[in-house]
Amino acid sequence: QVQLRESGPALVKPSETLSLTCDISGDSLPSGNYFWSWVRQPPGKGLEFIGYIHSSGTTSYEPSLRSRVTMSLQMSKRQFSLTLGSATAADTAVYFCAGVKVGTSGYYVDHWGQGSRVTVS
Amino acid sequence: QSVLTQPPSVSAAPGQKVTISCSGSRSNIGTNYVSWYQQFPGTAPKLLMYENNMRPLGIPGRFTGSKSGTSATLDITGLQTGDEADYYCGTWDLSLRVVVFGGGTKLTVL
Repeated sequence: QVQLRESGPALVKPSETLSLTCDISGDSLPSGNYFWSWVRQPPGKGLEFIGYIHSSGTTSYEPSLRSRVTMSLQMSKRQFSLTLGSATAADTAVYFCAGVKVGTSGYYVDHWGQGSRVTVS
Repeated sequence: QSVLTQPPSVSAAPGQKVTISCSGSRSNIGTNYVSWYQQFPGTAPKLLMYENNMRPLGIPGRFTGSKSGTSATLDITGLQTGDEADYYCGTWDLSLRVVVFGGGTKLTVL
């Protein structure tokens, strides 16, 4: 079973860069195609998928965030990271790292971190 | 505004059945499996259903999912007060090339 845990600053100043890291633990990593991902949830609102990075290095980001987002993966350290530049108050949210299982026509989040609350102020 | 459309809230009495709908388009629900997530306040979402109607281990049979065309539904029968939570649908969007979620539905068990 995989466990995910986010870490990073809880407070970010406007116009600065929001950075979070997700530590992957567990006896074995998911088999098959898998996307290491980030999802955020603004206060009182729904889930927003930010993007993913595959073990091959391939990334894909939500179009509205694409110009500000970078994801990286360091499997030797069992970590993946998110940076979001030029942060504004609208980026205030709980950020979840997540694992997306990829099938032929099915993509679903089967592992979630506990969430990291980030305030931009 | 979410790519997938869900009703903001649904409610029913204990023991009754409730249906939560999720509407999308050909580029997402129309061509991919749907998953559902349950989220209690202050906690991370939990996978409730995947590939339209498959339950992960530990999810009771009271929860069932289905998909038709560009819409999907989650049915919960034998409602319990412990089912009060927010429910989200999700799927892959071929055009956006990311996972997309519905706006979430708050279930109240009266």
